Amino acid sequence: EPEVTQTPSHQVTQMGQEVILRCVPISNHLYFYWYRQILGQKVEFLVSFYNNEISEKSEIFDDQFSVERPDGSNFTLKIRSTKLEDSAMYFCASSVDRYFTEAFFGQGTRLTVV
Amino acid sequence: DAKTTQPPSMDCAEGRAANLPCNHSTISGNEYVYWYRQIHSQGPQYIIHGLKNNETNEMASLIITEDRKSSTLILPHATLRDTAVYYCIVGSVGTSYGKLTFGQGTILTVHP
Repeated sequence: EPEVTQTPSHQVTQMGQEVILRCVPISNHLYFYWYRQILGQKVEFLVSFYNNEISEKSEIFDDQFSVERPDGSNFTLKIRSTKLEDSAMYFCASSVDRYFTEAFFGQGTRLTVV
Repeated sequence: DAKTTQPPSMDCAEGRAANLPCNHSTISGNEYVYWYRQIHSQGPQYIIHGLKNNETNEMASLIITEDRKSSTLILPHATLRDTAVYYCIVGSVGTSYGKLTFGQGTILTVHP
């Protein structure tokens, strides 16, 4: 079965540092997403991305966050100047269409800000 | 997006059918019903989705009532590996761009 791959699986960073979370979506998918889940809380939408631009973003996705598709395969989430409250599991997802049908999620990157 | 209501937890015996209900009484005509599950903090896994008609795939069946105000996910022969949090989500066709709102879901425990 095709899969979305995320690296690293766990990232520990100091408060104020920048982190880049990486994702390799499924090869024929065109729509890419980031979600996050703070420990014990709901899965929350951050951003969707299509055709090299952001399609939709949530209130959480402020200027601290950015996304990029630097080459034909990777999709990255950058968090500048991390805060303690950014500690969460970050999930990348991809889908064939914008209706999110049969979207595949990666296994996540656990970000711990200390 | 319409809000959904699910029971917080359910139990099911291994080998039996698990029927997970979901209420979405404020659903509008262009909103799909999606079901995802999350096994122990792994990434959510797509199960099935539907608009009006009942749907079936290799994992599950989705029964949507005629008025579309509720639905039931059916796992026909539950196994221990089906123990997970199951999310019923309603999302707009064409406008959501993947902005799905996950709720608390139903914790399904399958026991031997």
